[in-house]
Amino acid sequence: NAGVTQTPKFRVLKTGQSMTLLCAQDMNHEYMYWYRQDPGMGLRLIHYSVGEGTTAKGEVPDGYNVSRLKKQNFLLGLESAAPSQTSVYFCASSFQIRRQTQYFGPGTRLLVL
Amino acid sequence: GESVGLHLPTLSVQEGDNSIINCAYSNSASDYFIWYKQESGKGPQFIIDIRSNMDKRQGQRVTVLLNKTVKHLSLQIAATQPGDSAVYFCAENNYGQNFVFGPGTRLSVLP
Repeated sequence: NAGVTQTPKFRVLKTGQSMTLLCAQDMNHEYMYWYRQDPGMGLRLIHYSVGEGTTAKGEVPDGYNVSRLKKQNFLLGLESAAPSQTSVYFCASSFQIRRQTQYFGPGTRLLVL
Repeated sequence: GESVGLHLPTLSVQEGDNSIINCAYSNSASDYFIWYKQESGKGPQFIIDIRSNMDKRQGQRVTVLLNKTVKHLSLQIAATQPGDSAVYFCAENNYGQNFVFGPGTRLSVLP
């Protein structure tokens, strides 16, 4: 089992460019999440999904879009990147949304110039 | 302990000593808590969890204590090893809601 994988590991974008971050899990988890992690702050939830074909907004959704076309994949899109989106992005998955541990991927470091 | 800001609090301990990392959580209705370990350049890794109907839970070399009266969580690591060096953070969950994560404490193990 690879667990949760993320691609790419690192990316540099110019302001206004777009990109998609890919998350994949092989644990047959229903729930998937995208977080961002900034220095000195806790993980903040961007969007999450409770199953294939469903998505919902988290704490900081502005500037991001997501899609869950397949159960094992959760995509995070930045349509027009801004320097404020410079961060480390983590994907996670869990069997259930409540009272369940979330398993995290290794992260994607994004720098927006 | 936890603090809001750009710099994480750091706990330095001698190898072989016990470590105690603290977390003040925010929601008195939270009923499930997790401690995560995050090594440099890696994703968070589950260490131990505890539900609100317990005040103590033990794992391998780790113990979590929960004090609901003062909304405080602590992680104790016995016989701290160099491999324990990492950022540790707690997460709280209010039934049916999403997790809220603390900013973390950096544990530095001195030889």
